[in-house]
Amino acid sequence: DVKVTQSSRYLVKRTGEKVFLECVQDMDHENMFWYRQDPGLGLRLIYFSYDVKMKEKGDIPEGYSVSREKKERFSLILESASTNQTSMYLCASTNRDRGPSSGNTIYFGEGSWLTVV
Amino acid sequence: DAKTTQPPSMDCAEGRAANLPCNHSTISGNEYVYWYRQIHSQGPQYIIHGLKNNETNEMASLIITEDRKSSTLILPHATLRDTAVYYCIVRENKVAGTYKYIFGTGTRLKVLA
Repeated sequence: DVKVTQSSRYLVKRTGEKVFLECVQDMDHENMFWYRQDPGLGLRLIYFSYDVKMKEKGDIPEGYSVSREKKERFSLILESASTNQTSMYLCASTNRDRGPSSGNTIYFGEGSWLTVV
Repeated sequence: DAKTTQPPSMDCAEGRAANLPCNHSTISGNEYVYWYRQIHSQGPQYIIHGLKNNETNEMASLIITEDRKSSTLILPHATLRDTAVYYCIVRENKVAGTYKYIFGTGTRLKVLA
């Protein structure tokens, strides 16, 4: 079975702290993604990566950074956590795209619930 | 911006078919339509995807209109465990070597006993 594992299921952090959310996939996928999910707003893309050391901004990158030093691991970093970053964070991965007609399935982790107080 | 439009909520009686609609009028020629569902507090789970033809697997059927501007996910015999939020998504145009999977707000399906 494919597996995307997020290191922490529930975290509580203080305002201003530096927060690391770790994600590991065991499927040798090239592409990895970080989303956040908030009530009424659905899933919103923060950052994604298509290769080691490569990263691209998603729709809401402000206040976040990412790191992809190894193919299987994609980290989301909150440099200085704020209360408006309280949310559920989802990591996902897919195979390298084989063209516009490819039907890659995106696999998600179980989510990390972050509360910033 | 989300490229799909779904009703915010639906109810379905247990044992009946649940038909979840999705509009994706700006879908481009060779882009797939994907369906996922999310049960409370879990990550989204893949259900099915399709391009032009109708698709069926062990979980559901996907009906795509001929003009590809809309689709319907069918759960043939809904159970209480199918209560979830269902997302219809398409991929954004290729950016920097990969596609962005853009999720909207989904349809909250409640299966009633």
